[in-house]
This record gives sequence, structure tokens and C-alpha cells, in this order.
Amino acid sequence: EVQLLESGGGLVQPGGSLRLSCAASEFPFNTFDMTWVRQAPGKGLEWVSVIHGRDGPTYYSESVKGRFIISKDISKNTLYLQMNSLRAEDTAIYYCVKGALCDDWGQGTLVTVSS
Amino acid sequence: DIQMAQSPSSLSASVGDRVTITCRADQGIGNALGWYQQQPGKAPKRLIYGTTNLAGGVPSRFSGSGSGAEFTLTISSLQPEDFATYYCLQHAGFPFTFGPGTRVDFK
Repeated sequence: EVQLLESGGGLVQPGGSLRLSCAASEFPFNTFDMTWVRQAPGKGLEWVSVIHGRDGPTYYSESVKGRFIISKDISKNTLYLQMNSLRAEDTAIYYCVKGALCDDWGQGTLVTVSS
Repeated sequence: DIQMAQSPSSLSASVGDRVTITCRADQGIGNALGWYQQQPGKAPKRLIYGTTNLAGGVPSRFSGSGSGAEFTLTISSLQPEDFATYYCLQHAGFPFTFGPGTRVDFK
């Protein structure tokens, strides 16, 4: 069974940075595309970013482009999301998701941006 | 970006009802559409990919149809565990985009 375990969420001040991690197992992580999706409290799902394959092209939503960076460490089977210049509107549960078509989802990690 | 709309935004139904949810894109996306279910307090779960393909383990009462810019998710006979929020996702072009969601609750 696919395992996706997010970590790194927490409270951060506006303008601050945070790095989310997602430990993946039980599938060939090095070959799969990986996605981040977020959900603000009481709101719908928002697609954030995808990284293709081992270290392929990356894409971002307009709302995070230039501030967030997605990456993979194949040796650690871990997906990352480096989040910089955080804003209140980035407050959300961040889900790590297997595949570009969002096959399997982790349980999410909560990021709160507030002073 | 491709914008997605869903209708209705919410609906009330009873166990055994047939339920249909519509998703519309503001441009043609071929068959590049998936459907996701989110039960309260849980992570989303994929139901359908490529418009019509049922994801593994998903009951056959769920089905998808459509092409181009208009798509539907149908639940043939609503079960208690199906009361949830449903989202469509277009994967025709980056950035991918979700619809705003349709909440299905008890009548």
C-alpha cells in the first residue's frame, strides 16, 4: 500500500519560510511524478505544484510561482516543498500526492501563517 | 489558466437516489478530467481519471462521462458513505485546476 507521510507544517510569521517534507514508500518514487495540493480552512482544493519523474520539469500555480520550490531527493524517497515569502493566504493543509493525476494522497500537514 | 465550474454547489439526497454532478471547463480539455471524493475530516480520494476510468477499489455505482468542456459524475444509487464533497480536476494543461466542489448531504 502506498505510504505518504507529510511533515514540517506549523505556525510561521508572514514573510517567513517553511519547508515541507513527504516521505514516500511502497512505490517506485524515483520514476513517479509528485504533486502538492493545498486546502485552506473550510475551502476547496487548490493545485499547487508538480515535479515530473526523477528530476524533471516543475510547474506551479500562479499564486505560488516565484515563492515556492518543489523538489525530490531520490536517495531519501522524499518530496519537498520549500515555501518562502509566506502570506496569510498560504494558510492551509498541504497534501502530498502521488502522480500528476493525483492517484494517492497523504493525510496532510497544516501550515498557519500568522503574526 | 483553465477555469473549472461545478454545479450544483450543493445538493441534498437520500440513500438510493441517483445523483449527477456537472463540471464545465472554460475551454476544451479533451478527456483530461478526474473526479475526487473528500469525506469530512479526511484526505481526498481519487474516484475517476481520464473522464471515464474508475480508479482501483472504487465501487461501480460511480461513473463518469463527457468530453471537450462538459463532464458529469454519476452515482447510480447513493450509499451512506457517499455523503461527501466532490471535486473535478482538469489535467489538460498546467497549472492543473480543481473545480470549486459539490457538497452532497442528507435530505
